[in-house]
Amino acid sequence: GAGVSQSPRYKVAKRGQDVALRCDPISGHVSLFWYQQALGQGPEFLTYFQNEAQLDKSGLPSDRFFAERPEGSVSTLKIQRTQQEDSAVYLCASVFKRDNINEQFFGPGTRLTVL
Amino acid sequence: DAKTTQPPSMDCAEGRAANLPCNHSTISGNEYVYWYRQIHSQGPQYIIHGLKNNETNEMASLIITEDRKSSTLILPHATLRDTAVYYCIVRARYYGGSQGNLIFGKGTKLSVKP
Repeated sequence: GAGVSQSPRYKVAKRGQDVALRCDPISGHVSLFWYQQALGQGPEFLTYFQNEAQLDKSGLPSDRFFAERPEGSVSTLKIQRTQQEDSAVYLCASVFKRDNINEQFFGPGTRLTVL
Repeated sequence: DAKTTQPPSMDCAEGRAANLPCNHSTISGNEYVYWYRQIHSQGPQYIIHGLKNNETNEMASLIITEDRKSSTLILPHATLRDTAVYYCIVRARYYGGSQGNLIFGKGTKLSVKP
């Protein structure tokens, strides 16, 4: 596809349920970011991949959050034992590096609602 | 914390220029000013960036003051489709790696009205 895609677009989970959110970045983009966006706030960094390597996971809010990108393309963000405070939009971005300028291409996000 | 300050909201009449201000008084010499926007239910979209010179592309113009402590994003002929939250972001030159993550503030909610 031409852009970053994410699935599902909407997910409703019961508290305590595990969820998996998928990101398909633009083909050939080496770097990939995950962000969390709470209602009324700007996106906040969660984690970063370069190819299959997760080089920074400092933004993950707890050990219930886990991300992977095993083949350096598709990435999955998994949240175990979801809590109400996990309700947010989860955004994925892949990076086109041009003249050392970071242009991030974002997907539409997955809106997670935990009941 | 974000290094920028923006008004929380602005209105603009359709067809008129929208001028969105941003203060970044602590910007350092190697930091760029980026603008992204986020239309409802979509991910943020890159608009433009600059270092010290004014910049223009097909979407917008960016005017940076001589002391680089503030900037203005200009949408020359706003349309209803420009209604979005606009984020001004300051960050250093990107060499790759996780420092490339964008630090968003709350942005300015621009409402373009007919």
